[in-house]
Amino acid sequence: SQQGEEDPQALSIQEGENATMNCSYKTSINNLQWYRQNSGRGLVHLILIRSNEREKHSGRLRVTLDTSKKSSSLLITASRAADTASYFCASNSNSGYALNFGKGTSLLVTP
Amino acid sequence: GAGVSQSPSNKVTEKGKDVELRCDPISGHTALYWYRQSLGQGLEFLIYFQGNSAPDKSGLPSDRFSAERTGGSVSTLTIQRTQQEDSAVYLCASRTGAQPERRAFFGQGTRLTVV
Repeated sequence: SQQGEEDPQALSIQEGENATMNCSYKTSINNLQWYRQNSGRGLVHLILIRSNEREKHSGRLRVTLDTSKKSSSLLITASRAADTASYFCASNSNSGYALNFGKGTSLLVTP
Repeated sequence: GAGVSQSPSNKVTEKGKDVELRCDPISGHTALYWYRQSLGQGLEFLIYFQGNSAPDKSGLPSDRFSAERTGGSVSTLTIQRTQQEDSAVYLCASRTGAQPERRAFFGQGTRLTVV
């Protein structure tokens, strides 16, 4: 079963604007990770936030985690056309083995 | 190797044929995952290996699907008697260990088309 569910499913913005994507999950987690996928191929790890962290930054990325609401958000500031991709959140299942992914948010950044 | 390598990158097969998909993880990575992604969809977990054993194969959709890993390295995913609904991109990922905070590294996937 899918552990994470992202919203919105699709997001279209202009260059320079900020993009915010949300992720909800159902069970307790050890950490939550965000990945990016270009053109339906391999995923690239962006950032990991641990369950005892509330916010984390990496370059133009800002991730928040609210374990009481079982939700996380990914903010991309000052977006660029090259940020166009699908973004997925992923978390470890209760067994600790499977890394479960949501259905993703498709982001389109237009020049 | 430098990254996770999957082969073939594309495979077209006739319905009813068997196919084998190969994954070469990053050297030294003990954990290996297979996922399936249908067009425009999220990643569907198939199976997880830690070393040569598969403690979690709960995602395999039917007994036509099987996977093995030998020598703690290369893994093959086999689909027998392929069906059209098996058409998807099959992604492999590896990471250094079972610890959940380890990031996963993905291959570029095998796009399987069953005609």
